[in-house]
Amino acid sequence: GENVEQHPSTLSVQEGDSAVIKCTYSDSASNYFPWYKQELGKGPQLIIDIRSNVGEKKDQRIAVTLNKTAKHFSLHITETQPEDSAVYFCAAFGNSGNTPLVFGKGTRLSVIA
Amino acid sequence: SQTIHQWPATLVQPVGSPLSLECTVEGTSNPNLYWYRQAAGRGLQLLFYSVGIGQISSEVPQNLSASRPQDRQFILSSKKLLLSDSGFYLCAWTLTLGNTEAFFGQGTRLTVV
Repeated sequence: GENVEQHPSTLSVQEGDSAVIKCTYSDSASNYFPWYKQELGKGPQLIIDIRSNVGEKKDQRIAVTLNKTAKHFSLHITETQPEDSAVYFCAAFGNSGNTPLVFGKGTRLSVIA
Repeated sequence: SQTIHQWPATLVQPVGSPLSLECTVEGTSNPNLYWYRQAAGRGLQLLFYSVGIGQISSEVPQNLSASRPQDRQFILSSKKLLLSDSGFYLCAWTLTLGNTEAFFGQGTRLTVV
């Protein structure tokens, strides 16, 4: 089945700097890669996703890149703000048709003002 | 619009006591439903998922069970709680099994004492 590795587990950046979180996946047939943000004491919420027919997607300060050959995808947050502090999860869909999303173990991002 | 309700928000239970966590979804039909557990500082561990009434798939062997008595109701249960069952439990739903957005509830913080 699908296996998703996420790095780093914790990340601290100065306000205004960029943050990058990387994930690798094992199933070359995977075709859907979402990113979720979890604020303290709440459930995760989707912030951006990408499908395998594109290499990059942007939404304001957030972007996701996908390298299908290397089987990795990354989340990029530019001009970080204190409210970006949260736990971020990547996920991959294994494309077997009958299994749910597989999540990475999460990255705790701290933006220092 | 669709909403997901999960309760209670917090729960403190003694070891050996039973557990029942409930999750309901409004505004959609035949959702795929999930229970995840998040231990402190850990990722999202999928416990159970259901593609329809009475259909439960278990991802890991454990002290817990799940039931889906109605289309939009998903229940997580235990007959006798263990200390290791402590954690943050999240219910979620999707339209399809893996390649669409997952909507999470606000979570239940369970502490077994």
